[in-house]
Amino acid sequence: EAQVTQNPRYLITVTGKKLTVTCSQNMNHEYMSWYRQDPGLGLRQIYYSMNVEVTDKGDVPEGYKVSRKEKRNFPLILESPSPNQTSLYFCASSPIGDTFYGYTFGSGTRLTVV
Amino acid sequence: GQQVMQIPQYQHVQEGEDFTTYCNSSTTLSNIQWYKQRPGGHPVFLIQLVKSGEVKKQKRLTFQFGEAKKNSSLHITATQTTDVGTYFCAGDFNDYKLSFGAGTTVTVRA
Repeated sequence: EAQVTQNPRYLITVTGKKLTVTCSQNMNHEYMSWYRQDPGLGLRQIYYSMNVEVTDKGDVPEGYKVSRKEKRNFPLILESPSPNQTSLYFCASSPIGDTFYGYTFGSGTRLTVV
Repeated sequence: GQQVMQIPQYQHVQEGEDFTTYCNSSTTLSNIQWYKQRPGGHPVFLIQLVKSGEVKKQKRLTFQFGEAKKNSSLHITATQTTDVGTYFCAGDFNDYKLSFGAGTTVTVRA
């Protein structure tokens, strides 16, 4: 089944404790992206990657890191989480060509930083 | 960054009625996409509009892209309880950074 897999689904952590949220897709998509969803703000892009070893900042990159060493994986790293990073996170992937095609989203990771 | 504005934020609909949600951009879009997120779920891609003035239908859903490619609408006829959720538009400004609207959350009164 074509899918984007995120882990974990739920995570509670303490301020300052480094964490990684994993994302993997099995559709051979070039484009992968991380979004955070907060009430009333919709989905805001954190980072995106157009291919292996190519990453770029989205609209809200502060406090996050990403890497794209393999085409299928795009982990999100919070080096020193803070309470304002409490949010619902989605990983998404898409093929790209002369235009942007529809995303396939993962099931989400609900992160709470205390 | 460039933004897409979406209204209304909430839509409470009587079952069987129609409603419309709107998206607007101050600059021209390369294309616009629509997604639906059920409560507790993740966004699911519905459709992409690319051409000026384009209209596409999916059963009771009608999607339109404005002539100037700066606005779009989603119209749902004869609303059903299965239509409950949040509908997002997402604009591509030709920079591979899809910008999502804030969403319209739809509730249905039976």
